[in-house]
Parts: sequence; C-alpha cells; structure tokens
Amino acid sequence: GAGVSQSPSNKVTEKGKDVELRCDPISGHTALYWYRQRLGQGLEFLIYFQGNSAPDKSGLPSDRFSAERTGESVSTLTIQRTQQEDSAVYLCASSLGTGGGYGYTFGSGTRLTVV
Amino acid sequence: AQKVTQAQTEISVVEKEDVTLDCVYETRDTTYYLFWYKQPPSGELVFLIRRNSFDEQNEISGRYSWNFQKSTSSFNFTITASQVVDSAVYFCALSEAYPGNTPLVFGKGTRLSVIA
Repeated sequence: GAGVSQSPSNKVTEKGKDVELRCDPISGHTALYWYRQRLGQGLEFLIYFQGNSAPDKSGLPSDRFSAERTGESVSTLTIQRTQQEDSAVYLCASSLGTGGGYGYTFGSGTRLTVV
Repeated sequence: AQKVTQAQTEISVVEKEDVTLDCVYETRDTTYYLFWYKQPPSGELVFLIRRNSFDEQNEISGRYSWNFQKSTSSFNFTITASQVVDSAVYFCALSEAYPGNTPLVFGKGTRLSVIA
C-alpha cells in the first residue's frame, strides 16, 4: 500500500483479556518494527523483523508480548492477559532494509486502553 | 550502547520567534545515522531528516535547519520564524550501522508549542 496501515486505530479492553494489533507495511519493505509510546513519553522499541531472519525480540517487556510476521507482509502484535500498564500507543514502522541508512515510515498507531 | 538525550521537555515560543531543539547522542560506533521526526497532534510520526556520521555539513530546508557537530555529539534542530503549525513533539533518533540491524533509538522528545 501507499503507507503503513495499522488496525484497529483504537482498542479498549478489559484487564486480563488478550488483544491483537495488526500492521500492514509498505509493499516491498523488508523490515518491520514495533514501538510502544506511553502517554507523554518517547518511543520504546519492542521487536523487529527483517525478511526471513529470526526477529529481534530484545525489546519485548515480558513474555505476555509476542509478534508474528508472515513473510514480508502483515504483522500482528499480541498482548496476552493485558494489564493497565500496557495502555499506550503501539506504533508500527517499515523500511526498505535494516540499519540506519533506511528511513522508517510509521503508521498512525493503535491506541490501546486497558480498563 | 546507544543513547539519545533531548534535555528540553517542553518549549513554548511566540509565533515568528526562532527556536532550537537540542539533541545529544552517545554511540561507540564511528558509522551511525541521526534522524529527526515530527509528531503532530494527530499522532503520526513524520520523517524530517536523516544524516550519516560522515556528513557534518549543516543542512537547511526552508525554515528548518540542522547543525551536526561530532565534536560535541550533537544534532540540533532550528526552526526559523516559527509558525503555529510547527506545534508538535519532535524526536531525535540514532541508529548504529554496525553490527547492523539495530533499530532506531529515540530520545524522549521535545514538545514545542508555538503561540499565535
């Protein structure tokens, strides 16, 4: 597509429920990143995918968080047993490759509220 | 380890004033990339500039200019004659080139408010 698409744009869930967030990267972009942005804070790296390589999961805050990517297309970020501290905007970005030589294109994010 | 520091949490200026947003970075690599992104109230991050560590030439794009100084590990961003539409959160970010595949590390951002 023309840009990075994320869905849903907003999600309200009850504490303890599982949620799935979706990201459609720009066609042809081999790298895909997930970041979390808590209210008034900077961007916190969660995970990234590059082609068929094993994902870098070093930023995932707990084992309740997981992500998958099908080939070089759609990615889903799953949060199990959500906690109120998980409330944040989850941003997805894609780029032509990894490494700083490539700029990232960000989606509009999914605002997750855990009540 | 990589680190980006944006010491200014919030800045408020009157329209038409010039404003400089500071960014200081830490890296052990000699090859790296620096970025600035703008996040308007709508929430989507907008790419502004990318600079590699071998290019210290300052850059100007309209009312925006960037001052890259390796000697002080800084990559500051200046908006000349600020406008209300410049109101946003601005993020500085860093990526190391080696060993490669390192995601962008962002500063905490500076919230700029331009008052009419």
